[in-house]
Amino acid sequence: KQEVTQIPAALSVPEGENLVLNCSFTDSAIYNLQWFRQDPGKGLTSLLLIQSSQREQTSGRLNASLDKSSGRSTLYIAASQPGDSATYLCAVGPPTGTYKYIFGTGTRLKVLA
Amino acid sequence: NAGVTQTPKFQVLKTGQSMTLQCAQDMNHNSMYWYRQDPGMGLRLIYYSASEGTTDKGEVPNGYNVSRLNKREFSLRLESAAPSQTSVYFCASRHRENTEAFFGQGTRLTVV
Repeated sequence: KQEVTQIPAALSVPEGENLVLNCSFTDSAIYNLQWFRQDPGKGLTSLLLIQSSQREQTSGRLNASLDKSSGRSTLYIAASQPGDSATYLCAVGPPTGTYKYIFGTGTRLKVLA
Repeated sequence: NAGVTQTPKFQVLKTGQSMTLQCAQDMNHNSMYWYRQDPGMGLRLIYYSASEGTTDKGEVPNGYNVSRLNKREFSLRLESAAPSQTSVYFCASRHRENTEAFFGQGTRLTVV
């Protein structure tokens, strides 16, 4: 059974720092992996989607990498800002045909001004 | 473009009452999902619909039923609410498996 872990559960950093959020999964047979951001009391906002054949994806100050063989994905946030404060979740997509994406429990990020 | 719209946003039910959570998407997506989010447990899939006319159980389907009314709408019904169903419920949709998922703003449900 696929398990997805995000460590640490919470993180505080000063503004301007570059930071890395981690997502680990136990079964390397994945279809894709998606990173989300969730603000308090809100829904999830898609940040990046990485297909299993890709090594990384970039959007603005965000860069997500994928290493299937080691069961890891990282989300790199450059020059963090207070507006980046939110919970970041990763979701692993299973092999084609099942649709049952598995979510990690998230990393709660606080960027201090 | 509204994306994924859920109603209601908040609801308080008494144990044993029934209710239906509504979800609609205007992106012409094929698949739709219902998740619940509980502290410390992340998001768990309740039911999903891979395409119009089909529905399948997810990880925690007990106590729930769903209807894919048409391509746009996917509803979640609680027939006899229990305190264990107190949670935040999210609806999501995606066009195909290799495309990104979009989420609604959630329904915060409390069962007393």
